[in-house]
Amino acid sequence: AQKVTQAQTEISVVEKEDVTLDCVYETRDTTYYLFWYKQPPSGELVFLIRRNSFDEQNEISGRYSWNFQKSTSSFNFTITASQVVDSAVYFCALSVTGNQFYFGTGTSLTVIP
Amino acid sequence: GAGVSQSPSNKVTEKGKDVELRCDPISGHTALYWYRQSLGQGLEFLIYFQGNSAPDKSGLPSDRFSAERTGGSVSTLTIQRTQQEDSAVYLCASSFGGPGGQPQHFGDGTRLSIL
Repeated sequence: AQKVTQAQTEISVVEKEDVTLDCVYETRDTTYYLFWYKQPPSGELVFLIRRNSFDEQNEISGRYSWNFQKSTSSFNFTITASQVVDSAVYFCALSVTGNQFYFGTGTSLTVIP
Repeated sequence: GAGVSQSPSNKVTEKGKDVELRCDPISGHTALYWYRQSLGQGLEFLIYFQGNSAPDKSGLPSDRFSAERTGGSVSTLTIQRTQQEDSAVYLCASSFGGPGGQPQHFGDGTRLSIL
């Protein structure tokens, strides 16, 4: 069975602080894909990143970075120097067949000015 | 438009009525998904269409829920004899099908309120 766990329900940080959102996944498949989505207050989910199970190289995009570690089945997301516009609910997701998706319950991030 | 379009954006109806929610996926996307998001909750998978294959209905919560996709494009999610617990935001997403874990593109959702 596939499962995604985002243990942090809500996080509040002060602007310019760094924050890490945790994601732990479960699957027995050797080929799988991991995703992060952002859902701002406006409601529409926005795709942020996709990683496949064969590529553990960490990725950095501006203030965003992702740490994929198969040894701990984790795919954590770090925002550096957080900004108020980063306030949103962030979802981690897993796809094992390439099509069926499993979403975590989300982490609500509030950045306080 | 270029994105996934859902209609209506809001729907208020009385308990026991039937409702139809519509989703227009991005042109060329062969995969289409329906999710339900209750207040403060994550995304609950409902149903998935891929091309002409039989849909994966494993997430539908009861036989009051059904969905179809006509011509491999537009999809309609129907809820019969609505109950108050059906109140939620219903999200539609589409993606390019096939292997590779293609990212999903989401619509703005339909906010359904059952009185």
